[in-house]
Amino acid sequence: DVKVTQSSRYLVKRTGEKVFLECVQDMDHENMFWYRQDPGLGLRLIYFSYDVKMKEKGDIPEGYSVSREKKERFSLILESASTNQTSMYLCASIHGTTTEAFFGQGTRLTVV
Amino acid sequence: AQSVTQPDIHITVSEGASLELRCNYSYGATPYLFWYVQSPGQGLQLLLKYFSGDTLVQGIKGFEAEFKRSQSSFNLRKPSVHWSDAAEYFCAVAPFSGGYNKLIFGAGTRLAVHP
Repeated sequence: DVKVTQSSRYLVKRTGEKVFLECVQDMDHENMFWYRQDPGLGLRLIYFSYDVKMKEKGDIPEGYSVSREKKERFSLILESASTNQTSMYLCASIHGTTTEAFFGQGTRLTVV
Repeated sequence: AQSVTQPDIHITVSEGASLELRCNYSYGATPYLFWYVQSPGQGLQLLLKYFSGDTLVQGIKGFEAEFKRSQSSFNLRKPSVHWSDAAEYFCAVAPFSGGYNKLIFGAGTRLAVHP
């Protein structure tokens, strides 16, 4: 089975801190995604990557950046965390042609 | 712009009753269509998907969905709901972009099941 692992289930950070959310997949998928999930809004795409060192903005990239130095790892970075970034963050990976997405368990981030 | 609408935010059904969760999409061509389920504290799990062919697709856990092009809909159904089906359900579309895909999600429908 494909496994997508997010480094933390729960994080509490202070306003202004730099925050790293890590995601690793073990199936050599080309495409990886970061979503944030908020009640009533579903999942909104922050950034995605279709290859190493490649990245594309999603629908809500402001306040975030990403890094993909290796195929299996996709990191989401909050340069200066703010309280409105308190949310559930979900990482997903997709094989290039199958379109089926596999999700990590999510990281619930609280910024205080 | 591409969008997915799930009109029902919350649905409550009795155990053993039938279920239908609605999903409408807005897209110029027929996209790839998906239903995902999220149990509390978990990531998303794929229930079923539609790419082409037979418009009635079967998924896991006894779920099925029907694609209706004329209505731009992809409703999820289950003939008899179990208490373990209580979860949040997301409809998603993937407008294939050739080199890579991205999923666009609806806002979700939270299902509660009464004993």
